[in-house]
Amino acid sequence: AQSVTQLDSQVPVFEEAPVELRCNYSSSVSVYLFWYVQYPNQGLQLLLKYLSGSTLVKGINGFEAEFNKSQTSFHLRKPSVHISDTAEYFCAVIRYGGSQGNLIFGKGTKLSVKP
Amino acid sequence: DAGVTQSPTHLIKTRGQQVTLRCSPKSGHDTVSWYQQALGQGPQFIFQYYEEEERQRGNFPDRFSGHQFPNYSSELNVNALLLGDSALYLCASSLWRDLRVSGANVLTFGAGSRLTVL
Repeated sequence: AQSVTQLDSQVPVFEEAPVELRCNYSSSVSVYLFWYVQYPNQGLQLLLKYLSGSTLVKGINGFEAEFNKSQTSFHLRKPSVHISDTAEYFCAVIRYGGSQGNLIFGKGTKLSVKP
Repeated sequence: DAGVTQSPTHLIKTRGQQVTLRCSPKSGHDTVSWYQQALGQGPQFIFQYYEEEERQRGNFPDRFSGHQFPNYSSELNVNALLLGDSALYLCASSLWRDLRVSGANVLTFGAGSRLTVL
């Protein structure tokens, strides 16, 4: 079975500072990896995904993530955050070749950007 | 191009009652998945519908049931509500063929229906 651990439940950061949101996964098989963002009172929006190819994935709003198979990690980064990035971020996995649509999510990391 | 729409946005029920939540998928999508997001938790998969059949189910009791209509819209029904059923219920749509092509389908989520059980 797959599982996802988001190591920080809350991350406070000042505007224009860099940020890294950590995600580790556990799986005995290959997985696809996703990051979603949830703004207050809204649904989930896809930030980026890793299916195959380059391990550095670029997403929307200036975010990027790097897949590290040996460390089973998929950390999300942004070099300079804005107030508008304040939201909850979820890392998720799908087992390769199966679990159609059955995303397994972490518990989320609340990013709070302060002026 | 309308995204995923869900109704109602908020509702309050009492224990033992039944509730029906509705979802219209993104235009062009044919697959609907439902997730439950309890307060402070990540979403948990309930079930998925394609071609009006339940294709996959998560670890939820039979009190949770669903339906998909010929126009691809879907309903989630929960019977005999418990306090623990209070949550944000998210609907997500996707294309079944994307799974066949890439091995993973990318979900588009709605804003959710927030259910409070008193």
